[in-house]
Amino acid sequence: QKEVEQNSGPLSVPEGAIASLNCTYSDRVSQSFFWYRQYSGKSPELIMSIYSNGDKEDGRFTAQLNKASQYVSLLIRDSQPSDSATYLCAVLGGNQFYFGTGTSLTVIP
Amino acid sequence: KAGVTQTPRYLIKTRGQQVTLSCSPISGHRSVSWYQQTPGQGLQFLFEYFSETQRNKGNFPGRFSGRQFSNSRSEMNVSTLELGDSALYLCASSPLPAVRSYEQYFGPGTRLTVT
Repeated sequence: QKEVEQNSGPLSVPEGAIASLNCTYSDRVSQSFFWYRQYSGKSPELIMSIYSNGDKEDGRFTAQLNKASQYVSLLIRDSQPSDSATYLCAVLGGNQFYFGTGTSLTVIP
Repeated sequence: KAGVTQTPRYLIKTRGQQVTLSCSPISGHRSVSWYQQTPGQGLQFLFEYFSETQRNKGNFPGRFSGRQFSNSRSEMNVSTLELGDSALYLCASSPLPAVRSYEQYFGPGTRLTVT
């Protein structure tokens, strides 16, 4: 069983809408949680981190963590075409990071 | 400040050959982690080096090895290449061991194709 699971998508939303990206993880990896954005042909870049239950907001991005449900999500408000990318969920468990396979997001102008 | 650099960017090898990839971290960073990225498996952790010592190793066969030099540059070697080794190999640097600094900065990757 994989440590981190994401819906591969593709997820399409119209410009200005809210994009919701979800991630679940196994209970063995439950320390810290991260969202990376990866544009096609580029390397991943960190956009959000969250360490405790609840919501964390940073500009148009909100990360939500529910450790009891082993669930972490990323909301992108007022989605822009420049948000079109693959979003990777990462979980720090033990001494290493575990990554999901990513969700492809397309924002339609 | 220069980012993480990886060389070469693209590589084509034949089954059975070996390959060495290089990663130079951000200046002042002492931790380098290596990942393999494939469409089906996503990003998978290979190993991490900090101050020339391997700290952690992922679940990969012994054909995958690495080392780190005193200037923090790291190399990854894959021996006896298999078709399944075709992937994007990414390295990430951190000022501290990744699990302590949390933030990792990725390089552009090396695209390895095994034929």
